[in-house]
Amino acid sequence: ELKVEQNPLFLSMQEGKNYTIYCNYSTTSDRLYWYRQDPGKSLESLFVLLSNGAVKQEGRLMASLDTKARLSTLHITAAVHDLSATYFCAVAPLLNRDDKIIFGKGTRLHILP
Amino acid sequence: AAGVIQSPRHLIKEKRETATLKCYPIPRHDTVYWYQQGPGQDPQFLISFYEKMQSDKGSIPDRFSAQQFSDYHSELNMSSLELGDSALYFCASSLSGDRGPDTQYFGPGTRLTVL
Repeated sequence: ELKVEQNPLFLSMQEGKNYTIYCNYSTTSDRLYWYRQDPGKSLESLFVLLSNGAVKQEGRLMASLDTKARLSTLHITAAVHDLSATYFCAVAPLLNRDDKIIFGKGTRLHILP
Repeated sequence: AAGVIQSPRHLIKEKRETATLKCYPIPRHDTVYWYQQGPGQDPQFLISFYEKMQSDKGSIPDRFSAQQFSDYHSELNMSSLELGDSALYFCASSLSGDRGPDTQYFGPGTRLTVL
């Protein structure tokens, strides 16, 4: 059974600092997703990573995927208050065309002004 | 650009009642997903449809059923509601490629409260 673990689950950081959220998964996968969710709101897709070594960047967020280590990272550069949200990674099993996507527990990020 | 539409946005039901949630995917998207998210929880995959056929099933109770219609909209039917069914229900849609589903676009969700 595919398991997805994120850490940390809670993160409070100062504006201007850098930090990384980690997402480990238990079985082989070739599709990894990162989402952002504000309280009481829907999920917003941030990145889709489809191959080993994939790196995508959008503003202060950069995501990478290492399929051999079964690890994805979401790096935050020079954090700003607007990035406060819960970030989820989600993983789909490899190559079986299943649509089931398993989410991690989420990382609740609070950026202090 | 058109987004995923869900209705109703809020729904209050009593125990043992039934509820129907509707989802209208982004035009031309071929895959629809349903998720349940409890307070402070991660989204739990319920069921998905690819080209109007059920493609995968997650932790969906037997009391729930879903279908996708010829116009691609989907409905989640929930019967014998329990207090524990209170949650946000999200629908998402995506367009599949060679490697499987690409970006999922989530609707605003339906907040179901069971009293």
